[in-house]
Amino acid sequence: GQNIDQPTEMTATEGAIVQINCTYQTSGFNGLFWYQQHAGEAPTFLSYNVLDGLEEKGRFSSFLSRSKGYSYLLLKELQMKDSASYLCAAMDSNYQLIWGAGTKLIIKP
Amino acid sequence: NAGVTQTPKFRVLKTGQSMTLLCAQDMNHEYMYWYRQDPGMGLRLIHYSVGEGTTAKGEVPDGYNVSRKKKQNFLLGLESAAPSQTSVYFCASSSGLASNEQFFGPGTRLTVL
Repeated sequence: GQNIDQPTEMTATEGAIVQINCTYQTSGFNGLFWYQQHAGEAPTFLSYNVLDGLEEKGRFSSFLSRSKGYSYLLLKELQMKDSASYLCAAMDSNYQLIWGAGTKLIIKP
Repeated sequence: NAGVTQTPKFRVLKTGQSMTLLCAQDMNHEYMYWYRQDPGMGLRLIHYSVGEGTTAKGEVPDGYNVSRKKKQNFLLGLESAAPSQTSVYFCASSSGLASNEQFFGPGTRLTVL
């Protein structure tokens, strides 16, 4: 079956760095997406990886290892506004997104 | 640009009632999607469309129907609502399939009593 695993909740301190891990199993693979979702709002796109390696975009970076079925989202210089859920989604061979349940990130002052 | 809009934002139905959720996008996107989001679960694809006049089933299509008569609109219908359909419904659109990000509407919170 198809499955995405990510931690349910994480806590970090303002100004620190946090890494959110995601493992996936899909029928075929056409890329890995990360989205941010604030409580009561819509998901918004953060990053896309299809090749192995690290993609950096400002304070956010995303890493992919296709051989391990593994990705992580790295958030640096954490700000209070980064408190949100982070959704990992893998695209299968039918170009459909398989979504994880999300990681709720709590930032403490 | 309004992006992706959804109406209504909230709705309460009684079991057996019907309703239609409307999604509209002004980005000229070919692809549109309907998801539901339940606590502790990932977004699940209900139906999607790859262009005007076409629709296809996603992971959880039972109990729902869709229509895409105009490129900018994607309608989701519930013919006979059930309590199991209590959820938050998100519409999304994208310009392509593979690497293209999906843009989401603000969501509709539906409660079926």
